[in-house]
Amino acid sequence: KAGVTQTPRYLIKTRGQQVTLSCSPISGHRSVSWYQQTPGQGLQFLFEYFSETQRNKGNFPGRFSGRQFSNSRSEMNVSTLELGDSALYLCASSLDRTGGTTDTQYFGPGTRLTVL
Amino acid sequence: AQKVTQAQTEISVVEKEDVTLDCVYETRDTTYYLFWYKQPPSGELVFLIRRNSFDEQNEISGRYSWNFQKSTSSFNFTITASQVVDSAVYFCALSVFTGNQFYFGTGTSLTVIP
Repeated sequence: KAGVTQTPRYLIKTRGQQVTLSCSPISGHRSVSWYQQTPGQGLQFLFEYFSETQRNKGNFPGRFSGRQFSNSRSEMNVSTLELGDSALYLCASSLDRTGGTTDTQYFGPGTRLTVL
Repeated sequence: AQKVTQAQTEISVVEKEDVTLDCVYETRDTTYYLFWYKQPPSGELVFLIRRNSFDEQNEISGRYSWNFQKSTSSFNFTITASQVVDSAVYFCALSVFTGNQFYFGTGTSLTVIP
């Protein structure tokens, strides 16, 4: 079974631009979560989607948004990029058979975003 | 609020030595889940183990073993006879029953010297 895939793997943008990252979960997984990883802040939770609805949200500004499609694929968008948005963005999927419980999250390889 | 503390930032050991990575967690929930992940230089977080709060049984998987103690809120990870391929950053994570949000520790960078 294929793992979580993320595209693109690397991205370079300039301040003020916007960016869209894509995540395809493991087949059959219904929950998709996004995390930001930086050397200073570590791994921080952005948001989680289940059945096309945002179920949980971390403490990030509104410039960070996401969505999930009917096939469970997810995208996250960052508008008006800032230098501090440079990070590794990780997507994780989980089975979430019954909804609302905790299943193991399996992570993709990440998208490394550099903002110049 | 949930919190995970990995006090060891960096550890270096010589190949074949045993090494223990510490993880201390905080939560008021009675149902929770603990995880360990490995992050090699490639960046992808690799799942190692999951434990729920009702199962304090220790687990061994090859050279890896985990010690879960609710009394001290700890979930420590031991690598026996370390190998160079074990060099990576290891993260401990906590999730509570009411949500799918994972709370990660700051990670422990392990270097195994040949």
